[in-house]
Amino acid sequence: NAGVTQTPKFRILKIGQSMTLQCTQDMNHNYMYWYRQDPGMGLKLIYYSVGAGITDKGEVPNGYNVSRSTTEDFPLRLELAAPSQTSVYFCASSYSATEYNSPLHFGNGTRLTVT
Amino acid sequence: AQKITQTQPGMFVQEKEAVTLDCTYDTSDPSYGLFWYKQPSSGEMIFLIYQGSYDQQNATEGRYSLNFQKARKSANLVISASQLGDSAMYFCAIGGGKLIFGQGTELSVKP
Repeated sequence: NAGVTQTPKFRILKIGQSMTLQCTQDMNHNYMYWYRQDPGMGLKLIYYSVGAGITDKGEVPNGYNVSRSTTEDFPLRLELAAPSQTSVYFCASSYSATEYNSPLHFGNGTRLTVT
Repeated sequence: AQKITQTQPGMFVQEKEAVTLDCTYDTSDPSYGLFWYKQPSSGEMIFLIYQGSYDQQNATEGRYSLNFQKARKSANLVISASQLGDSAMYFCAIGGGKLIFGQGTELSVKP
C-alpha cells in the first residue's frame, strides 16, 4: 500500500539552481495535484492534472512547471530556484474531481530550502 | 471563487473533553464538498472527515463529527473525548477534486 510517494524528502538548493520533485501514485487515480505549504500556513495549489497529458495552473504556478506523461507520475519542476520557493511541497491524488466525496490522498511531502 | 476561513489560530483542550474547531466557507457553487485534514508534527496530511453540500445528515467518523450548517456556511469539526495524540494542526478545505484550504488551527491537548 504505497499510495502517493514523493522524493526526495529534503533538499537544499542554491539560488538559481533547478530541480525536479518526483511524485508517483499506485492507486490508478486520474487526478493529481501539487501544493505548497509555507510555514504556519495552509496549502496552496500550484498545478493539477486531470489525466495523462493534461495539466492546468492552480493559485500559485509562477516559477514551476509540470508534466503528466503517465497516470502514475506527476513531477514538479523548479527552474531558477528563489528563496521565496522555500516551502514544503505536497503531491496528492484523487479518484474523482466531480464526485465530491473524493478526498485527496497526500504524499509525505518534500521540504525544500533555497539559500 | 471559493474561500475557507479558520479564525482560531490555536486552541487548548483538556484530555477527555470535547472540542470544536471552527470553519466558515464561501462559495457560489451549488455543489461542493467540505473536508477536514489533520497534520501532526511529523508533517503528513491525514484525511479525517467529509461532508457533501447536499447531505442531509452531519458526517461522523468515530470521534470526529462535522457540524454542518449550510445557511450559515459553517462546517465545524467536533472532536469528542480528546486524546493526547489529537494534538496537531487541523485544516478545513472546500472543493471537489482540487481543494482550497484554510490556514489551520493548532490544537493542543493537555493531560
